Amino acid sequence: DQQVKQNSPSLSVQEGRISILNCDYTNSMFDYFLWYKKYPAEGPTFLISISSIKDKNEDGRFTVFLNKSAKHLSLHIVPSQPGDSAVYFCAASVGANNLFFGTGTRLTVIP
Amino acid sequence: DTAVSQTPKYLVTQMGNDKSIKCEQNLGHDTMYWYKQDSKKFLKIMFSYNNKELIINETVPNRFSPKSPDKAHLNLHINSLELGDSAVYFCASSQAQIINEKLFFGSGTQLSVL
Repeated sequence: DQQVKQNSPSLSVQEGRISILNCDYTNSMFDYFLWYKKYPAEGPTFLISISSIKDKNEDGRFTVFLNKSAKHLSLHIVPSQPGDSAVYFCAASVGANNLFFGTGTRLTVIP
Repeated sequence: DTAVSQTPKYLVTQMGNDKSIKCEQNLGHDTMYWYKQDSKKFLKIMFSYNNKELIINETVPNRFSPKSPDKAHLNLHINSLELGDSAVYFCASSQAQIINEKLFFGSGTQLSVL
């Protein structure tokens, strides 16, 4: 049973525009959410996280929004750059238990 | 200088063989993990391990066993390989055994069982 879902396998955006990557989850007990970025032939790297007590966390060009009532989070990248082209994984956890990952969204930023 | 390194990067082998994947981290982290990414791109935890405790995902067959000679290394041994074991295996580490702590991943080992 996939508790974290990324329903868009791919997304293409023009350079300089906003990229919005979405993630839905089913387990209302999740209390911490993370985004990881993965380039080809590399492991995922941590990007940004948010606790369930917050609804927004910002780090430079990256902002994560959490809507607990909708069990939805999104990652906004503004402005998008070609170097942002990668696969983005959403992940969620309950307390100190393991991370549940989504299947990823491949972002392509077109120069 | 790679923080989490795993070898080999590619592993092609026959069904029934026994193989190992090595992982080393130079971050001084206390906890290491093995993740499996299957053909559907699901990333799932297999094991987490620190010097005190091994936590096994109950869905992992006992043909898979982690071996940790020291805090910086966590190797994965797989016995009697099966076709369904084909996947990308990622090693990772974190400072503490708190899953919210961000993970540092290796670059992955693509295992193909023929």
